[in-house]
Amino acid sequence: SAVISQKPSRDICQRGTSLTIQCQVDSQVTMMFWYRQQPGQSLTLIATANQGSEATYESGFVIDKFPISRPNLTFSTLTVSNMSPEDSSIYLCSVERLAGSEQFFGPGTRLTVL
Amino acid sequence: LAKTTQPISMDSYEGQEVNITCSHNNIATNDYITWYQQFPSQGPRFIIQGYKTKVTNEVASLFIPADRKSSTLSLPRVSLSDTAVYYCLVGNMDTGRRALTFGSGTRLQVQP
Repeated sequence: SAVISQKPSRDICQRGTSLTIQCQVDSQVTMMFWYRQQPGQSLTLIATANQGSEATYESGFVIDKFPISRPNLTFSTLTVSNMSPEDSSIYLCSVERLAGSEQFFGPGTRLTVL
Repeated sequence: LAKTTQPISMDSYEGQEVNITCSHNNIATNDYITWYQQFPSQGPRFIIQGYKTKVTNEVASLFIPADRKSSTLSLPRVSLSDTAVYYCLVGNMDTGRRALTFGSGTRLQVQP
């Protein structure tokens, strides 16, 4: 298994500001991902955080809005930029130890944008 | 990517066996099937993964017929704590077909 922590656990932000979410894993992992989950909905993959290179974004998500960093094999950040109320959601980090193996998820960051 | 279809919700009682079926008609030869469980305010948790026939672990069994166009997650003797949303995912180890797409999931409600 993998122990994953996210900071902050929750935040309330003003429209137009940005928030950076951190994801820390207790050991090195191959793959790290960022998901969004709106209340009562399923998870939507935002991007794959690639170590040492630009993240790979899914359709509908762009780097200017969701810049991602992954400086090493245990840490990644997701920034939600120029926030609007529509960005209110839970943001989850997940990891795979080996390509194609099961994912382990962090506890999530609950974001509310006023 | 193989699309999955699950029932939106299911109800059960404590002590019963619950079977949740997932349809994945366009599953590819090298695709595997993975199930996750999610409690409110938590991230999903891996339950079980399989490729064909039957897989069993300490919490569940996964039944996959020969044509692999569906799979059934079986939870023996459920308890109130099994109330959660269950997701079926299909994918393989190729970068472009990873099991990363969550469908709508099945909301299981266990009653006393």
